[in-house]
Amino acid sequence: EAGVTQFPSHSVIEKGQTVTLRCDPISGHDNLYWYRRVMGKEIKFLLHFVKESKQDESGMPNNRFLAERTGGTYSTLKVQPAELEDSGVYFCASSQESYGLESVEQYFGPGTRLTVT
Amino acid sequence: AQKVTQAQTEISVVEKEDVTLDCVYETRDTTYYLFWYKQPPSGELVFLIRRNSFDEQNEISGRYSWNFQKSTSSFNFTITASQVVDSAVYFCALSEMGNQFYFGTGTSLTVIP
Repeated sequence: EAGVTQFPSHSVIEKGQTVTLRCDPISGHDNLYWYRRVMGKEIKFLLHFVKESKQDESGMPNNRFLAERTGGTYSTLKVQPAELEDSGVYFCASSQESYGLESVEQYFGPGTRLTVT
Repeated sequence: AQKVTQAQTEISVVEKEDVTLDCVYETRDTTYYLFWYKQPPSGELVFLIRRNSFDEQNEISGRYSWNFQKSTSSFNFTITASQVVDSAVYFCALSEMGNQFYFGTGTSLTVIP
């Protein structure tokens, strides 16, 4: 079974440009999460999808960030326009339906390292 | 307030030494889950252990062991006879009933050969 995949693995863009990160969760996982780690800080929650609906987007830093999950499969996270402070590693995670112990386990992707110069 | 505190930012040990990574958490929920993840230089987050709030039994897996103490809200991780391959950043995380994870800032462990 394939794990969570993320694309690209690295992205270097200039301030003001747009970048789109993609996450493919484990097949059949309804829950999809985005997290971000800024250098030296904790990994912070950005938002949570249940299928195609945003369950919790309280962690999104500002309106330059737009997440979508059309059809409840893969998700994209767009940053437009990118700022220097957006640099960091963006992790995606997925988990099964929201009941029972199985939903607790989040499987993380390898992350996308974003550098804004 | 931060829900998970990893006070040790960086630790260096010589190979074969034992090392304990501290994790203190904060939650008002009676049901919660604690996790440890390893992030090697390659960048991915590798799951190490999950513990639920009702199970305070300590766990040992090879050279790894975990000490969960609800009385002190701690979930410490010990590596016995450390090896160079243990060098990584280790994250402790809290989940309050299947929702978002709250991570600590991570402890960077360097094992010197």
